[in-house]
Amino acid sequence: NAGVTQTPKFQVLKTGQSMTLQCAQDMNHEYMSWYRQDPGMGLRLIHYSVGAGITDQGEVPNGYNVSRSTTEDFPLRLLSAAPSQTSVYFCASSLKSRWGSSNYGYTFGSGTRLTVV
Amino acid sequence: KQEVTQIPAALSVPEGENLVLNCSFTDSAIYNLQWFRQDPGKGLTSLLLIQSSQREQTSGRLNASLDKSSGRSTLYIAASQPGDSATYLCAVRGTSYDKVIFGPGTSLSVIP
Repeated sequence: NAGVTQTPKFQVLKTGQSMTLQCAQDMNHEYMSWYRQDPGMGLRLIHYSVGAGITDQGEVPNGYNVSRSTTEDFPLRLLSAAPSQTSVYFCASSLKSRWGSSNYGYTFGSGTRLTVV
Repeated sequence: KQEVTQIPAALSVPEGENLVLNCSFTDSAIYNLQWFRQDPGKGLTSLLLIQSSQREQTSGRLNASLDKSSGRSTLYIAASQPGDSATYLCAVRGTSYDKVIFGPGTSLSVIP
C-alpha cells in the first residue's frame, strides 16, 4: 500500500521552464490537494480537487495549473517557472467529508523540493 | 475566510516537562481538526484527528482537545522527550468547499 506518492523528490529548473510535479494515491481518495511550504509562511494551499473532473483554487494559485482526469492522479503544472516558486511542494489526499458520516483525516506525500534559478 | 494561528511559534523545554501547544481558528464551521508533526526536511505525519462532534482524542502521551465554539484546540504532550523535538502543525477542514487550512506551526525543542 503506497499511500501518496510524489515525484520527483528534487528538481532544479531554470527561469521560464515548465514542468509537472506528479502526485498519485492508491487509497481511492476523492479529495486531493497541493500545498507549498516556505520558511516563515507555513503550508499554503495552491489547488485542490474534490473528485475527478473537479478542481478549484486555493490561497496561492497563480502560476500553477492542475487537472484531475482520474481519481488516482493529481498533477501540478508550473507554466513558466519563476524564482518565487522555489519551495517544497506537498500533495495530500483524503476521503471527501460528508455530513452525517465519519470525518476523514489527511495523508501526505513526502514532498518535492523545487529550486528555480 | 478561515485563518489558523498557533501559539507559541517556538518552545524550548527540558526533558520530562508536560507542555501545551495552542491552535486557534476563526470560522467554527469545520468538519475536523488534525494535528501533524514535521521533522526537519521531512513530510508531515498525522498525530491526532478530532471530529467536529468530539471534544478530545488521545494517543499515548498526546492528548488533543477541541472547543469548536471558541475556535480553539490544544495539544498536550506529557513527559516530553528529546525525540518529541519537531514542528507541530494544526490543520482545520472547513465545511465550505472542504478546504484544509494549516496553521504556521510551533517549533518544539526538548532539551536532554
